[in-house]
Amino acid sequence: GAVVSQHPSWVICKSGTSVKIECRSLDFQATTMFWYRQFPKQSLMLMATSNEGSKATYEQGVEKDKFLINHASLTLSTLTVTSAHPEDSSFYICSARDLLAGVIDTQYFGPGTRLTVL
Amino acid sequence: GQNIDQPTEMTATEGAIVQINCTYQTSGFNGLFWYQQHAGEAPTFLSYNVLDGLEEKGRFSSFLSRSKGYSYLLLKELQMKDSASYLCAVMDSNYQLIWGAGTKLIIKP
Repeated sequence: GAVVSQHPSWVICKSGTSVKIECRSLDFQATTMFWYRQFPKQSLMLMATSNEGSKATYEQGVEKDKFLINHASLTLSTLTVTSAHPEDSSFYICSARDLLAGVIDTQYFGPGTRLTVL
Repeated sequence: GQNIDQPTEMTATEGAIVQINCTYQTSGFNGLFWYQQHAGEAPTFLSYNVLDGLEEKGRFSSFLSRSKGYSYLLLKELQMKDSASYLCAVMDSNYQLIWGAGTKLIIKP
């Protein structure tokens, strides 16, 4: 099955620093990747849709200058949390859309990255 | 607005059957997904329904009624490892997933 990896699995950083999270589709090409954030006991919240070779589309209320997304290749998207603050502490999950899978638009999720900002 | 409703929490006994309901109101419909999410982990895909009816996959089955905006996930022969949150998500006309808040399923021995 389609595999999506994320790195790092968890990160602890100081307030004011920037953190980069990588999302890779390991065995398929993903023209579209999605970035989600999930707070404890809450639903997944879509932050942005990342299309290879073009600018990401951000959801309402998500600061694009704070959450920088780059989708430079068909297998890699990165999310950079700039000038992180404690309120940015969350579980960040990426997913990739495999259009060739034969099942319409199934999204495969990475394992997630737990960010803690001190 | 778009809305997905599912119960917050359910409790069931090991070996029993449980049905988790999901109702939705979305702008357009391009399929309904069920995902399982264990605490601290990312969701894993369980099922996809785009036509009315029942899809069976081992111990798990998923049902869809588009006219009623309704789906359920049926889990049979419950095992302790089935304790998790179950997320219902609908793909709207823009091919975006609209997520429910999830149903936390607690399995008791």
